[in-house]
Amino acid sequence: QQQVKQSPQSLIVQKGGISIINCAYENTAFDYFPWYQQFPGKGPALLIAIRPDVSEKKEGRFTISFNKSAKQFSLHIMDSQPGDSATYFCAAPPTSGSRLTFGEGTQLTVNP
Amino acid sequence: DTEVTQTPKHLVMGMTNKKSLKCEQHMGHRAMYWYKQKAKKPPELMFVYSYEKLSINESVPSRFSPECPNSSLLNLHLHALQPEDSALYLCASSPPRGTNTGELFFGEGSRLTVL
Repeated sequence: QQQVKQSPQSLIVQKGGISIINCAYENTAFDYFPWYQQFPGKGPALLIAIRPDVSEKKEGRFTISFNKSAKQFSLHIMDSQPGDSATYFCAAPPTSGSRLTFGEGTQLTVNP
Repeated sequence: DTEVTQTPKHLVMGMTNKKSLKCEQHMGHRAMYWYKQKAKKPPELMFVYSYEKLSINESVPSRFSPECPNSSLLNLHLHALQPEDSALYLCASSPPRGTNTGELFFGEGSRLTVL
């Protein structure tokens, strides 16, 4: 099962700032990289995902950038808001079967 | 609102009790999952059902027993649990393409406390 390394473990950003979370993965047979957002006491929810036939995908204030050669992808949250305070997990698709591998998570705090 | 419904939201049980967690989805997804999540950790896969058949068991102790009565329902039967089994138990489902892409729809989880 492949490893996914996520950084930083925690992140504090001022309102209006940019939050950046990075992930690196190992080999994969599939090409779909999701990010999940989890609020305290709730289940994770799919936030945004990218297929690496594109280098960037933007949805509102959230952007994924993908570097296939470096096996890295990152989440950028523009104009960060206190409501974005949550734990973010990157994930890499399975090399076989259905074992989605999650990163260790980044706890984001956006101060007002 | 999530389209994967889990009950109960909270459960407290003793080590000798037998209880069950339930999960329901009506999105027509044919893959359903149980995950365990400890505080400040990512979800850990426990079981995967594909077309109502158990396809993955991640070496989970037998005190956890999954069941998939039909394509919309998933149960997790609990018996003789240990305090270290206390965690948030998450159910998820995925559309057919999701089994190879990681597109999961999670419920809100059942918070289990074992005394």
